[in-house]
Amino acid sequence: QVQLQESGPGLVKPSGTLSLSCAVSGVPLTSSNWWTWVRQTPGQGLERIGEIYHSGHTNLNPAFKSRVTLSVEKSKQQFSLHLSSVTAADTATYYCARVIGGTFADWGQGTLVTVSS
Amino acid sequence: IQLTQSPSSLSASEGDRVTLTCRASQTINNKLHWYQQRPGKAPQLLIHDVSTLRSGVPSRFSGSGSGTDFTLTITGLHPEDSATYFCQQSYSSLTFGPGTKVDFQ
Repeated sequence: QVQLQESGPGLVKPSGTLSLSCAVSGVPLTSSNWWTWVRQTPGQGLERIGEIYHSGHTNLNPAFKSRVTLSVEKSKQQFSLHLSSVTAADTATYYCARVIGGTFADWGQGTLVTVSS
Repeated sequence: IQLTQSPSSLSASEGDRVTLTCRASQTINNKLHWYQQRPGKAPQLLIHDVSTLRSGVPSRFSGSGSGTDFTLTITGLHPEDSATYFCQQSYSSLTFGPGTKVDFQ
C-alpha cells in the first residue's frame, strides 16, 4: 500500500521560505513515477505546483517557477518542496502526491501552512 | 487548458441520480479524470481517462464524454457521497477544475 506523508513547519513568516518534505512508503521513490506537490486554497482551488522524477528532472507550473525548488533524497525515500518569498497568498493546505499516467493517483493527508508574522 | 464545472454546488437525496459536468476550453484527447474530496481529507482518484473506474470505486460512479464535454454520474446517491468532486486534465500539463460540491439533503 502506497503511503505519502507531508511534514514541515505549519507557520512561515512573510518573505520567508516554505519548506516541506514528503516521505514515501510502499513503493520505491525510484519507480517510474513522477512525484508532485499540489496546494489547495479556498480561493484558488487545487493548484499543481510541480513534479519531480527520481533523476531530479522537474516540470514546474510557470506560476511558481521563479520561487520553487523541488528535490529528491532517494536514500531517505522522500522528496521536498521549497517555496521562497512567501506571502499571505501562499497560505494553503499542501499535498504531496504520486502521478501515474497523468493522474494524481496517491495523496498524502495534506498539511496546512500559514504565512503570518 | 481551462476546466469549468457545473453546477458549482447541488443538494440531493439518497437514491438520486446526480450528474456533474466538466467542460474543457479545448479538446483534451479524453485525458480527463475525476476526484472525490470529502471534508478535511485529501482528494481521491475515482475515474481516469473519462470512464475507467479505479479499483475499489463503487459501480454507482460512472464517467462519460468526449471532446470538450464530460460528465460524472452517481446513480443512487449514498450519504457518504457528500463531497466535492473535481475534474482534472492531463492532455496539456495538469490542471484541475474548480469543483462541484454535492450536499446530502
